[in-house]
Amino acid sequence: EDQVTQSPEALRLQEGESSSLNCSYTVSGLRGLFWYRQDPGKGPEFLFTLYSAGEEKEKERLKATLTKKESFLHITAPKPEDSATYLCAVQGNTGGFKTIFGAGTRLFVKA
Amino acid sequence: NAGVTQTPKFRILKIGQSMTLQCTQDMNHNYMYWYRQDPGMGLKLIYYSVGAGITDKGEVPNGYNVSRSTTEDFPLRLELAAPSQTSVYFCASSSGRAFYEQFFGPGTRLTVL
Repeated sequence: EDQVTQSPEALRLQEGESSSLNCSYTVSGLRGLFWYRQDPGKGPEFLFTLYSAGEEKEKERLKATLTKKESFLHITAPKPEDSATYLCAVQGNTGGFKTIFGAGTRLFVKA
Repeated sequence: NAGVTQTPKFRILKIGQSMTLQCTQDMNHNYMYWYRQDPGMGLKLIYYSVGAGITDKGEVPNGYNVSRSTTEDFPLRLELAAPSQTSVYFCASSSGRAFYEQFFGPGTRLTVL
């Protein structure tokens, strides 16, 4: 069964304090791993798609990396506006094209 | 483009009542989805559609029904509401079957008392 586990559940950082969020996954044949950002009271907003181990993608202060078992979302010198919940999701080769989401990591960045 | 819109934003139902959550997208996407998000949990897929007239069950379809008569609209019907259906419901759409990013609506917060 496809599964996604995110850690930590919550992360508190000072502005400028870099860190990483973890997404461990189990899937039968990875089609794609997705990162989304979700602000309170809003729907998730797409950040990245990663397709194969070794792939990396960057957007402003965010960098996503992928191995065969996990993905990391690195946040460099975060700002308060980076505070949000970050969701990881996977699509596997079985189960049609259903996307399995993790519970998310709530990030708080204090000025 | 408005993207994905959902109505209502909030709703309180009594046990046993029924309602329809509306979802509309203006991006001409063939693929549409309904998810529910419970506190501290990931999004769970309720139903999805690959095009007008075609729908299929997701992970948690019990207690819900959907229809897709047009490309733009994908309503979710709750019959005989139960407290277990208290949740935030998100509609999403995508242009492709796999690999493609999903665009989410703002959500409907439903409480069943």
